[in-house]
Amino acid sequence: NAGVTQTPKFQVLKTGQSMTLQCAQDMNHEYMSWYRQDPGMGLRLIHYSVGAGITDQGEVPNGYNVSRSTTEDFPLRLLSAAPSQTSVYFCASSYGAGPLNTGELFFGEGSRLTVL
Amino acid sequence: DQQVKQNSPSLSVQEGRISILNCDYTNSMFDYFLWYKKYPAEGPTFLISISSIKDKNEDGRFTVFLNKSAKHLSLHIVPSQPGDSAVYFCAASRPTGNQFYFGTGTSLTVIP
Repeated sequence: NAGVTQTPKFQVLKTGQSMTLQCAQDMNHEYMSWYRQDPGMGLRLIHYSVGAGITDQGEVPNGYNVSRSTTEDFPLRLLSAAPSQTSVYFCASSYGAGPLNTGELFFGEGSRLTVL
Repeated sequence: DQQVKQNSPSLSVQEGRISILNCDYTNSMFDYFLWYKKYPAEGPTFLISISSIKDKNEDGRFTVFLNKSAKHLSLHIVPSQPGDSAVYFCAASRPTGNQFYFGTGTSLTVIP
């Protein structure tokens, strides 16, 4: 049971570099999302998707792009990394078209990103 | 603007005693509330939830209480065990939303 798989687990970038955080789930979940966790800020939603081809913004979308070409994958792209994007990133998925269906999000183990 | 707040960053409790974790929210439109538990280097995992039509929900050693008039919820763990040591996040959602709003977390340490 892989669940939600995130890669890489750790990444160091220089300011201005681009990268993609990968997220894949094998539970056939329609809903997928990306959160960032920062000290004193909790978990904040970046982007989410309710199905293939459909994405929407969360609380803190600036500086990030997403796409959802398949049910399984939901990559998060940083086009020009900034030190403010240093954080721990979590991908999460849920049954149906939204977490409200079951009230439960399944999280990956996280990706720690440092931008110098 | 933090819509869900956990004002206690940390809590220490003796094994066998009760742990009470608190959470306050500001948005009266929230109608569904959850608690997640997070161990270091792992993703959060779902613990327990409550709908606004209830004021209490139990699951084994875990009970969540909701006070809508005070916009306050709490998680009670009885009895506390060392394996309960983790960071606990509360979260809330609106009826017509696709996102949860998370609190800042409370780090619980259960002392053997």
